[in-house]
Amino acid sequence: SQQGEEDPQALSIQEGENATMNCSYKTSINNLQWYRQNSGRGLVHLILIRSNEREKHSGRLRVTLDTSKKSSSLLITASRAADTASYFCATGQYNNDMRFGAGTRLTVKP
Amino acid sequence: GAGVSQSPSNKVTEKGKDVELRCDPISGHTALYWYRQSLGQGLEFLIYFQGNSAPDKSGLPSDRFSAERTGGSVSTLTIQRTQQEDSAVYLCASSGQGPDTQYFGPGTRLTVL
Repeated sequence: SQQGEEDPQALSIQEGENATMNCSYKTSINNLQWYRQNSGRGLVHLILIRSNEREKHSGRLRVTLDTSKKSSSLLITASRAADTASYFCATGQYNNDMRFGAGTRLTVKP
Repeated sequence: GAGVSQSPSNKVTEKGKDVELRCDPISGHTALYWYRQSLGQGLEFLIYFQGNSAPDKSGLPSDRFSAERTGGSVSTLTIQRTQQEDSAVYLCASSGQGPDTQYFGPGTRLTVL
């Protein structure tokens, strides 16, 4: 199993602050993906970072990957109340063994 | 359609009954996945279809669970003799060939009484 594990389990911040979530995994990977889930239903893909990449940006999102430490971080800058959601990392060596962690529940207070 | 669709959105059934959950993937996507998410938990991989290859069923929790994908498109997840611990949100995702972004449907919330 290549399951990613997110940390912390829950994070509460004020609007405008930055939010940082971490993901650790145990074996070698091909890519790592971050997803967001609102209200316990469908997930929305945020960003994919490949094993040969170290950093990737998308709008207010910044993802880093450290394969030597088998960890990744997701930074959301200038958070908004609408960013309140659960965030999951998914790791895999091939596409059919993607595994998701339990997620980080982010609450952004207005 | 523009995205992955699933039906029904909610299903309430009695213990011991069979249920069928449907997933319509994005047109042209060759890969289709089923996941299960219990309350407050992460996603649990169930089964993966890729083109015409034999599906990866390694995540199915018991032989009461089965899935089909007809014509390389629509998929049906069947749970026989449902039990209360089957209650969860069942999510379907599809993606293009190879390591790629998975696009998730809205899920089916299954409640077994």
